[in-house]
Amino acid sequence: DGGITQSPKYLFRKEGQNVTLSCEQNLNHDAMYWYRQDPGQGLRLIYYSQIVNDFQKGDIAEGYSVSREKKESFPLTVTSAQKNPTAFYLCASSLDRGRGEQFFGPGTRLTVL
Amino acid sequence: KNEVEQSPQNLTAQEGEFITINCSYSVGISALHWLQQHPGGGIVSLFMLSSGKKKHGRLIATINIQEKHSSLHITASHPRDSAVYICAVRSRIVRGGADGLTFGKGTHLIIQP
Repeated sequence: DGGITQSPKYLFRKEGQNVTLSCEQNLNHDAMYWYRQDPGQGLRLIYYSQIVNDFQKGDIAEGYSVSREKKESFPLTVTSAQKNPTAFYLCASSLDRGRGEQFFGPGTRLTVL
Repeated sequence: KNEVEQSPQNLTAQEGEFITINCSYSVGISALHWLQQHPGGGIVSLFMLSSGKKKHGRLIATINIQEKHSSLHITASHPRDSAVYICAVRSRIVRGGADGLTFGKGTHLIIQP
């Protein structure tokens, strides 16, 4: 089955620790995205990548980092510099940038204690 | 002011009722998406449209480009339709190089049996 997987579904970390959220897709999509969702707010774009070894900051990139070493994988690291890291994180992909439908993963709920 | 406004924020209806969720946006767009988010958090894309009307089963989406407005209708609503429905637009203007969608805050729909 083609799709996007994110793991784990729930993640707990202590304040001050970096944590990496995984996102893998087997849809052969070029573009991948990371969004953050907070209660009462729309999804906000953190980072996106149009192609392997390239990525761009979104609207709220501060305190986050990404890599795109493989087409299938776009991991997101939440660093200790992110002031309010507790949130629901969604990964998405699309065939190419700016066009086509975006497909979403199941999300990871990160809680920083 | 948000670029994408949805109404209502919350909607509770009885099974069988005709449901309408509205989305207004303030920018020129190349496409509008309707998404469904279930309580577990995963998001499913329902429609992507740039003009006219699309229908899938009991769901109908319409868009009026001149009025910058879209509606999502659900006919013969059922408790399994209970979810958050999210409108998202892809702007024609790329701000600061960022790409991706701009999301509304969502409409929380509950269909009671």
